[in-house]
Amino acid sequence: QQQVKQSPQSLIVQKGGISIINCAYENTAFDYFPWYQQFPGKGPALLIAIRPDVSEKKEGRFTISFNKSAKQFSLHIMDSQPGDSATYFCAASKPDTGRRALTFGSGTRLQVQP
Amino acid sequence: EPEVTQTPSHQVTQMGQEVILRCVPISNHLYFYWYRQILGQKVEFLVSFYNNEISEKSEIFDDQFSVERPDGSNFTLKIRSTKLEDSAMYFCASSDGTSGHSYNEQFFGPGTRLTVL
Repeated sequence: QQQVKQSPQSLIVQKGGISIINCAYENTAFDYFPWYQQFPGKGPALLIAIRPDVSEKKEGRFTISFNKSAKQFSLHIMDSQPGDSATYFCAASKPDTGRRALTFGSGTRLQVQP
Repeated sequence: EPEVTQTPSHQVTQMGQEVILRCVPISNHLYFYWYRQILGQKVEFLVSFYNNEISEKSEIFDDQFSVERPDGSNFTLKIRSTKLEDSAMYFCASSDGTSGHSYNEQFFGPGTRLTVL
């Protein structure tokens, strides 16, 4: 119930291509879905986040698509660049519990080849 | 730009020893968290802290763990008697807890790598 399942585990994309990472959740109490980017040796950094009252959110080259009925959400990175090479984590939180403690997915290691 | 800081960056300890990991959250933030990440695995929630008390703790956060905000700036995680399986990266995070554009964005520190020998 608390899990967030993420796929794929790793992804190799050519420069300029589209990177797509998928996540699924079970707990319908989740109402906040952020994506975090993590570079080696660093802490996770918020990339983009969505609430379930919208189906898509775009910030620059990064887009979250959200399908409430399927309980799935995905991150699309358009025009992927070598600097995007990092590990990406989806996450979810629910209100009034642990002050919005984040439940993370297992992570996707993205490698963008030049 | 304000940031969460953590010390030390790397802590090596012997099994059974006590360790204290330190964090300085962003100054106007009210909510504090500890997460851990075992090498190659996902980030896991340990505990959240607000108004000088624990809001929620996960199953990982057993009696060996404690948190404290000893003064107005530091937030600490103590592990009383470390075990080999406590070896992980420990991240502190903080949030101002307000709704809006950055809905409860949690800002993470760079982490402390704990190695238990």
